[in-house]
Amino acid sequence: NAGVTQTPKFQVLKTGQSMTLQCAQDMNHEYMSWYRQDPGMGLRLIHYSVGAGITDQGEVPNGYNVSRSTTEDFPLRLLSAAPSQTSVYFCASSPPRQGKNYGYTFGSGTRLTVV
Amino acid sequence: DQQVKQNSPSLSVQEGRISILNCDYTNSMFDYFLWYKKYPAEGPTFLISISSIKDKNEDGRFTVFLNKSAKHLSLHIVPSQPGDSAVYFCAASASYDMRFGAGTRLTVKP
Repeated sequence: NAGVTQTPKFQVLKTGQSMTLQCAQDMNHEYMSWYRQDPGMGLRLIHYSVGAGITDQGEVPNGYNVSRSTTEDFPLRLLSAAPSQTSVYFCASSPPRQGKNYGYTFGSGTRLTVV
Repeated sequence: DQQVKQNSPSLSVQEGRISILNCDYTNSMFDYFLWYKKYPAEGPTFLISISSIKDKNEDGRFTVFLNKSAKHLSLHIVPSQPGDSAVYFCAASASYDMRFGAGTRLTVKP
């Protein structure tokens, strides 16, 4: 059982480049989300999806795009990378909120550096 | 605007003693509260949760207390073990919008 898989684990980008962070889950979870973790800031929600074809913005959505064409995948796109997007990115998934096990399952993260 | 705050960046306790991690929130719409544990180079791991209709939830050595009037929750770990050394995040949610605190680094000394 792989859980939540994020690729790549590490990435260095030049300012202005674009890239896609991949996230896949094999637990048939309806809910998926992207967070970024910065020192002293905790985890901040970028975008989330409550099911295939449905996405919404979180706290810090600017500079990022998402789509959800399947239940399993939720990629995060950086349109034009900026140094302020240097961070560790985590993808998470969850069953429906009413379920007993509401805690999110997180991937192991992608460490992104923009130079 | 941080809606969930963990004011202690770090905490150090002796093995076998109690660890108490604290968290405050500002949004009265939050109705579900969670604690996550994070080791270096790994994603956070769900630890324990509590809904707003309860004031206490226990799971083995871990107990979460919720004081809604004070908008405060705490995580008690008894007894603390060296393997508990990690960063602990408090989280709160209303619907699917889950907000996290900045984390508290717990060190349990043998």
